[in-house]
Amino acid sequence: GQNIDQPTEMTATEGAIVQINCTYQTSGFNGLFWYQQHAGEAPTFLSYNVLDGLEEKGRFSSFLSRSKGYSYLLLKELQMKDSASYLCAVKNSNYQLIWGAGTKLIIKP
Amino acid sequence: GAVVSQHPSRVICKSGTSVKIECRSLDFQATTMFWYRQFPKQSLMLMATSNEGSKATYEQGVEKDKFLINHASLTLSTLTVTSAHPEDSSFYICSFPREGSVTEAFFGQGTRLTVV
Repeated sequence: GQNIDQPTEMTATEGAIVQINCTYQTSGFNGLFWYQQHAGEAPTFLSYNVLDGLEEKGRFSSFLSRSKGYSYLLLKELQMKDSASYLCAVKNSNYQLIWGAGTKLIIKP
Repeated sequence: GAVVSQHPSRVICKSGTSVKIECRSLDFQATTMFWYRQFPKQSLMLMATSNEGSKATYEQGVEKDKFLINHASLTLSTLTVTSAHPEDSSFYICSFPREGSVTEAFFGQGTRLTVV
């Protein structure tokens, strides 16, 4: 089967750094996505990795290791508005998006 | 600004009635569209892929007679939940692949359906 695993919930402090991990097993690989989703809203695109390495975009960075089936999303200088769920998704060989259940990130002052 | 308009954002209906959810692209055309369902604390589950002018392709376990999808034009797709039951209460989201891009997709704002 295909599955995406990520922690259910994480807590971090405002101003700090947090890393959200994602491991995947899919039928083929055509890219990995990270989305942010606030409760009751649609996901918002954050990043895309298709080659190994680190992609940096402002306070957010995403890393991919295809050989390990592993990615992480790194959030720096955390702000209260970063409290949300972070979804990892992989596009498989059929170009279908397989979604993780999301990691709820709680930011404390 | 938003490029996909989905409405209603929230709907409460009685058990046994039908509900139609519309998803409209505002400034682009899409031949393919995805409908997802998301239960609380769970991942987005693909329900079906709709293609303009042809029948939708449903994922395993999704009843095609219960979830009617119409993709009549390149800018509009509708999902109708027929004879809704409380277990159909969920968050429904449409998504258009971004033409010419292998990365992004445009999502609607989502519809929170509550069946009482």
